Amino acid sequence: GQQVMQIPQYQHVQEGEDFTTYCNSSTTLSNIQWYKQRPGGHPVFLIQLVKSGEVKKQKRLTFQFGEAKKNSSLHITATQTTDVGTYFCAGPGGGADGLTFGKGTHLIIQP
Amino acid sequence: GAGVSQSPSNKVTEKGKDVELRCDPISGHTALYWYRQSLGQGLEFLIYFQGNSAPDKSGLPSDRFSAERTGGSVSTLTIQRTQQEDSAVYLCASSLGVQRQYFGPGTRLTVL
Repeated sequence: GQQVMQIPQYQHVQEGEDFTTYCNSSTTLSNIQWYKQRPGGHPVFLIQLVKSGEVKKQKRLTFQFGEAKKNSSLHITATQTTDVGTYFCAGPGGGADGLTFGKGTHLIIQP
Repeated sequence: GAGVSQSPSNKVTEKGKDVELRCDPISGHTALYWYRQSLGQGLEFLIYFQGNSAPDKSGLPSDRFSAERTGGSVSTLTIQRTQQEDSAVYLCASSLGVQRQYFGPGTRLTVL
């Protein structure tokens, strides 16, 4: 079955440094979604990418979808303490119309 | 409602007991999903409901797990004869078809 791999599992950065998490799928994805989960909270949708090579920005966050639609990345510029949490990518495949989630990247920010 | 709600927020039970977890999806959302998240881990898909179609149960870890969705709205996840390895946060999400999923706050299940 489809697998969605995400690296790194943990990332420690100093506040103000940049952060990137990478997502790779074993199969071509029709779309990819990114979610953020704050400590003690539930996943919250960030964005969905659909087109090959697509790049979308949300303030300090930049999302990319690979040309082959098998990989994606999330880059945060100049991290802030509010960015702390776990970032998940997810592609279609968890059940008929569900999502297969990566294991997430835990972002830890040191002030 | 304003969002997906789940109850109870916390459930502590003894090994061997049955538990029921409830999910109220966003009104009008046709799709409903159950996931399980162990501490510090990713989300494990359990079951998916779409409209009146038969549910996709491919993610249920054992026959002790079952779920139903009444009237295309509220869903109940039942775990029979709970085991300690069932301890986790159980998350429900709803969506309009194959779109972004809206997650509820989850139910933290602890099996002693």
